[in-house]
Amino acid sequence: ETGVTQSPTHLIKTRGQQVTLRCSSQSGHNTVSWYQQALGQGPQFIFQYYREEENGRGNFPPRFSGLQFPNYSSELNVNALELDDSALYLCASSPVAGTNEKLFFGSGTQLSVL
Amino acid sequence: GNSVTQMEGPVTLSEEAFLTINCTYTATGYPSLFWYVQYPGEGLQLLLKATKADDKGSNKGFEATYRKETTSFHLEKGSVQVSDSAVYFCALSDGTGSQGNLIFGKGTKLSVKP
Repeated sequence: ETGVTQSPTHLIKTRGQQVTLRCSSQSGHNTVSWYQQALGQGPQFIFQYYREEENGRGNFPPRFSGLQFPNYSSELNVNALELDDSALYLCASSPVAGTNEKLFFGSGTQLSVL
Repeated sequence: GNSVTQMEGPVTLSEEAFLTINCTYTATGYPSLFWYVQYPGEGLQLLLKATKADDKGSNKGFEATYRKETTSFHLEKGSVQVSDSAVYFCALSDGTGSQGNLIFGKGTKLSVKP
C-alpha cells in the first residue's frame, strides 16, 4: 500500500518554461522526498521536506525548489527548464519523521522538455 | 563519494530458476543498504533492507546479506516466478544522512519467462 499520488502523470514543456509537479503523501506521513530518474538510471535525490522545511538537498541547482503544505502534500517547482530536465520525477513519503527509512514512492510524473 | 554499482541487465530467466543480482557499494561510515523493486507502471517499493554488517534482509523469498568485507549486498532468490519480472534497484544511505538521501544503482531489469 503506497498511497502516494502524483500529478500530472505526464507533462510536456518547452525549454525555458517553468513547471510545478504535485504530490500527495500517504496519510500520516510527514516527510516527503523528491527524486529525479533519468532514462536508464537510478533515482537521484533532489531534496526532502519535513514539517514544511527543507531537510536536506542533493546536487541540484536552485532552480529546483519545493514546498510542503500543512496537510503534508508537496510541490516540486523547476524554473528555466532545460532539455536535460526530461526525466521521471518521483515523490516518496516516509512514516518515520525526517528520515529515509521505509520510503513509499508514487508512480511519478514523466516530464518531457522539448 | 558514496556510490552503488549493480550488474547490468537485462536479466532473462526461466520460471523456477535461481536469481542473483550483484550489488557492490562504496561508502564512508556504515551505510544502511536497501533493495527496491519497480513493477511496470508502479512506483518503487522497498523489498528488503539491512542496517549493519552481516545482517540478512529477506522478503517474498528474496534475500540479501550485508557483507562489509566485500562491500556487497547481492540479491538472491531460489526460484523466480513470472510475477517477479520488474526492475530491481540497490541503494544505500550513509549513516549520517538520514534526510532521505538514498543513493541508487542504475537498476537491473529482470524478465522471467514461463
